[in-house]
Amino acid sequence: GNSVTQMEGPVTLSEEAFLTINCTYTATGYPSLFWYVQYPGEGLQLLLKATKADDKGSNKGFEATYRKETTSFHLEKGSVQVSDSAVYFCALSDRLGGTSYGKLTFGQGTILTVHP
Amino acid sequence: NAGVTQTPKFRILKIGQSMTLQCAQDMNHNYMYWYRQDPGMGLKLIYYSVGAGITDKGEVPNGYNVSRSTTEDFPLRLELAAPSQTSVYFCASSWGQESYEQYFGPGTRLTVT
Repeated sequence: GNSVTQMEGPVTLSEEAFLTINCTYTATGYPSLFWYVQYPGEGLQLLLKATKADDKGSNKGFEATYRKETTSFHLEKGSVQVSDSAVYFCALSDRLGGTSYGKLTFGQGTILTVHP
Repeated sequence: NAGVTQTPKFRILKIGQSMTLQCAQDMNHNYMYWYRQDPGMGLKLIYYSVGAGITDKGEVPNGYNVSRSTTEDFPLRLELAAPSQTSVYFCASSWGQESYEQYFGPGTRLTVT
């Protein structure tokens, strides 16, 4: 079956530090890959996505590249801000011989705290 | 445009009680989903629907039921609540194809004691 593994958290950084959150996946078909972010007390919202190998998703200074050879989709940001403090989820939606109906398989989430 | 709305925000149930979590969306999405989020465990799919009158089980459906009588609404029913159902519940909707994002509601925090 499908699975997503994220690096263990929590991650604590100082403002303007470089961020990497690792994500690897297992899928039986041709997945689309997503990063969702959850701010305190809110639901999840899409941060970025990539739908095929070598695609790079980017948004708000965050980037992730779909690497089929390493089955990875690591999230990076060059300079984090206090406002980036949130929980980050890697997820995939797999198309296997048809449609997955958009169902998502999530990683366990990584808590990021950024200090001034 | 309210997006995805959920009620209630919080609820405490006693073991054996029942309740319905409400979810509505105003984006005319055909696909809707219910997830539960346990601490440190990510989100797991409970049920999903691809249109009015059509529902199917996800990864963790036991103890829950759903119905989809309209495009807008997708309520989740808990029968005979158990402590294992203590969780945060999220409803989401989308256009359904695998490359499309899901839009999430703010969640319902449920405690069963």
